[in-house]
Amino acid sequence: GAVVSQHPSRVICKSGTSVKIECRSLDFQATTMFWYRQFPKKSLMLMATSNEGSKATYEQGVEKDKFLINHASLTLSTLTVTSAHPEDSSFYICSAATSATNEKLFFGSGTQLSVL
Amino acid sequence: GENVEQHPSTLSVQEGDSAVIKCTYSDSASNYFPWYKQELGKRPQLIIDIRSNVGEKKDQRIAVTLNKTAKHFSLHITETQPEDSAVYFCARSRYGGSQGNLIFGKGTKLSVKP
Repeated sequence: GAVVSQHPSRVICKSGTSVKIECRSLDFQATTMFWYRQFPKKSLMLMATSNEGSKATYEQGVEKDKFLINHASLTLSTLTVTSAHPEDSSFYICSAATSATNEKLFFGSGTQLSVL
Repeated sequence: GENVEQHPSTLSVQEGDSAVIKCTYSDSASNYFPWYKQELGKRPQLIIDIRSNVGEKKDQRIAVTLNKTAKHFSLHITETQPEDSAVYFCARSRYGGSQGNLIFGKGTKLSVKP
């Protein structure tokens, strides 16, 4: 199956700082990447859809100025949590799909963000 | 609505028994229905999927059935083993041919007791 790599796996930061999370498709070109947020024992909440070379599409209620998404190449998308606060602490997970994977969605390993 | 209703939220079975998880949806445009397994702290893994032109699909101990008319689909796990213990998520494609844009159910925590 397709491999999606996500880094870092865990980050602890101080309130007010920014954190960047990278998501890479290793063996395929991902025209579309998705960013999810997952709270403990909860489902995957789609935050935004990222298409290579264009602006991300954010879900209702997600602050685009707080969660900056860049999809600069067909293999890399980044999520930057700006001015992080304790309520931003969560498990963030990316995923990628492409016509080459026939619509199947493959997930990165996730990033556990803890804001102190 | 846009949501996928998934039941039950928790399921406990004895090793060797079968487990069934059901999801319902309302958007008739959905044409792709995957199931993901997520172990604690790990990424969701695709375990089986089905498209709307098929009523049933099986892969060893796992099967998925789809009733497009009634708008529900189910995951069936037979001869359960302790390593099947995990959270299972159903999902539906948000649009026809939406290339990965999925709406997820709230998950079912399956516990298989040895």
